[in-house]
Amino acid sequence: GQQLNQSPQSMFIQEGEDVSMNCTSSSIFNTWLWYKQEPGEGPVLLIALYKAGELTSNGRLTAQFGITRKDSFLNISASIPSDVGIYFCAGRQAAGNKLTFGGGTRVLVKP
Amino acid sequence: NAGVTQTPKFQVLKTGQSMTLQCAQDMNHEYMSWYRQDPGMGLRLIHYSVGAGITDQGEVPNGYNVSRSTTEDFPLRLLSAAPSQTSVYFCASTPLGTYEIDTQYFGPGTRLTVL
Repeated sequence: GQQLNQSPQSMFIQEGEDVSMNCTSSSIFNTWLWYKQEPGEGPVLLIALYKAGELTSNGRLTAQFGITRKDSFLNISASIPSDVGIYFCAGRQAAGNKLTFGGGTRVLVKP
Repeated sequence: NAGVTQTPKFQVLKTGQSMTLQCAQDMNHEYMSWYRQDPGMGLRLIHYSVGAGITDQGEVPNGYNVSRSTTEDFPLRLLSAAPSQTSVYFCASTPLGTYEIDTQYFGPGTRLTVL
């Protein structure tokens, strides 16, 4: 069954805000990935992390590979309306090609 | 390059009907996979293939068959559709390099409803 827990499940953003989300597991993962999915499309890879403690940025996005290897965090700085979508974390364990996905964090714009 | 293409985009089936979801990629990727996406569940791996003639089961394979006769195509077959198979189905492909496996290219999805 699903092993990755993402929180929050949903959040509202206001333009210019910094937001963060996280992904936790009871199992150790060797790779952490963050994807974004927009309506009607498949997920697109944002950031890949390969080393415990690693901090990687992609524009306004920053993700960290937790030191315990059981969690990862994604931050979006100075959010803009096009940041809306569903953000998924995914992990890959020691060997093989299979990814385990979290349930997603839905990012919405404050009305 | 068209990337990963999936057909159909939408499909409604009656319980017990069979159908094949098509997936094709023109990037010469060795690895292809099928996922289903249900609300709050993320994506769950159904079947995958590391090359023509080789397939293996993922996390939720029951009720689905696959084959990989060519590098380009990876169809997913539902032999006898059930309401529990109502979902959005995504096909993905990637080269098989050490880290390239993580850059999976997803198709646009097929939204399937089983009545």
